[in-house]
Amino acid sequence: QKEVEQDPGPLSVPEGAIVSLNCTYSNSAFQYFMWYRQYSRKGPELLMYTYSSGNKEDGRFTAQVDKSSKYISLFIRDSQPSDSATYLCAITTSYGKLTFGQGTILTVHP
Amino acid sequence: DTGVSQDPRHKITKRGQNVTFRCDPISEHNRLYWYRQTLGQGPEFLTYFQNEAQLEKSRLLSDRFSAERPKGSFSTLEIQRTEQGDSAMYLCASSLLWRGQVYGYTFGSGTRLTV
Repeated sequence: QKEVEQDPGPLSVPEGAIVSLNCTYSNSAFQYFMWYRQYSRKGPELLMYTYSSGNKEDGRFTAQVDKSSKYISLFIRDSQPSDSATYLCAITTSYGKLTFGQGTILTVHP
Repeated sequence: DTGVSQDPRHKITKRGQNVTFRCDPISEHNRLYWYRQTLGQGPEFLTYFQNEAQLEKSRLLSDRFSAERPKGSFSTLEIQRTEQGDSAMYLCASSLLWRGQVYGYTFGSGTRLTV
């Protein structure tokens, strides 16, 4: 079993939809939780990070962490075609070495 | 541009050749990381440095791989006797460790290796 599981999709939604992306993890020692966005042939770009259970909001993005269920989510409101990318969850124990999910490919069509 | 810079962007080599990649981190950052990413997968950790000290290496980093960060600034990743299975995107990231917290975990655009 992988330490971090992420549904690879692909996920296709119409513009304006709410997108939900999810990861589960197995190691309860994980403390820091991040979401990255990666466009084709580019490096990952940090979108959100959090270290506690609950919600964190930044513009159209909301990160949610449930440590009791070992489950993290990223919600994108009012999705735009420019949000089309691969979304990666990344988790770490000491904010050093990151363990990534497989990535979910998202397409937002006009 | 004050981001993480990687060079070259793309390297094509023949099996058995040696290759070297360079990473220039964000200047204020004292931690530097190397990851490898294959198609359809998330990045996998290879190694990381705090200043010039290499603190952790993954089992993925076979003895054909060596990484250095000689003066705590830029880093190089060398692969000797390349194999087809080494074909991947090699990503560098940097961050600042300050008072026990890590800030600004930023990735470069990567070096794509084709063997």
